[in-house]
Amino acid sequence: QQQVKQSPQSLIVQKGGISIINCAYENTAFDYFPWYQQFPGKGPALLIAIRPDVSEKKEGRFTISFNKSAKQFSLHIMDSQPGDSATYFCAASSGETSGSRLTFGEGTQLTVNP
Amino acid sequence: DADVTQTPRNRITKTGKRIMLECSQTKGHDRMYWYRQDPGLGLRLIYYSFDVKDINKGEISDGYSVSRQAQAKFSLSLESAIPNQTALYFCATSDYRVSNEQFFGPGTRLTVL
Repeated sequence: QQQVKQSPQSLIVQKGGISIINCAYENTAFDYFPWYQQFPGKGPALLIAIRPDVSEKKEGRFTISFNKSAKQFSLHIMDSQPGDSATYFCAASSGETSGSRLTFGEGTQLTVNP
Repeated sequence: DADVTQTPRNRITKTGKRIMLECSQTKGHDRMYWYRQDPGLGLRLIYYSFDVKDINKGEISDGYSVSRQAQAKFSLSLESAIPNQTALYFCATSDYRVSNEQFFGPGTRLTVL
C-alpha cells in the first residue's frame, strides 16, 4: 500500500495563481521530505526539501509547509508560471538509510495556463 | 542530467525475453538506485546499492535482478520479461555525505509485448 499519499492527481492553475499540492504519510519514522519536479521526457529533479524540525521552508516561489502532528506536508507555488507546468512528486524517507530509501507519492500533473 | 546516463532510452521486447538496462554515472557517487514509474503510482524503488558490495532490495524487486559492476555502473535485468513490466525506468545516484538529494537519469521506456 502507498505509504505516501498525494493529491490532487492533476491541477490546472492560471498564470499568477497559487498551486497547492498535498501529501500525507503514515510512517512516523520518516524524517526527510523532498519534493521532486519532472518535465516531460526528463528524470525527476529535486525542487525543495524539509526536515520535521521546522514547519515551513521557502525557496523563491516554492514553499513547503509541514504539519508533524497531522502527518501532512504540502507544496505551495506562488505566482505560478507556465514554465512550472510539470509533474510534481512528494517523497519521504527515514534516517535508518540516511535518507536514501525514498518512498514517493503518486504524483501531481500541474498545468499553468497563460 | 548528463552526469547520469541510461541505455537504451527506448526498448520494445517480447514476453519471455531477457533484457538488461544499463546506467552509468560520472558524478563519483557511491549510492545508486533503480526505480520504475507507472502512471498513477509514482516512482517505486526496485533495488538500491550503497557501494559495489552492498546491494539491497526495494519495494518491488520480484522479477528483477541487478549488478553493480563498478562504482559508476549499475545494471538492471529482467530475466524473463512480462507485459506488466512495461514502464518507465529510472536510475539515480546520490552522495549521502553531501546531501540526501538523488540525481536521476533521463529514463528508459520499456515496452513488453
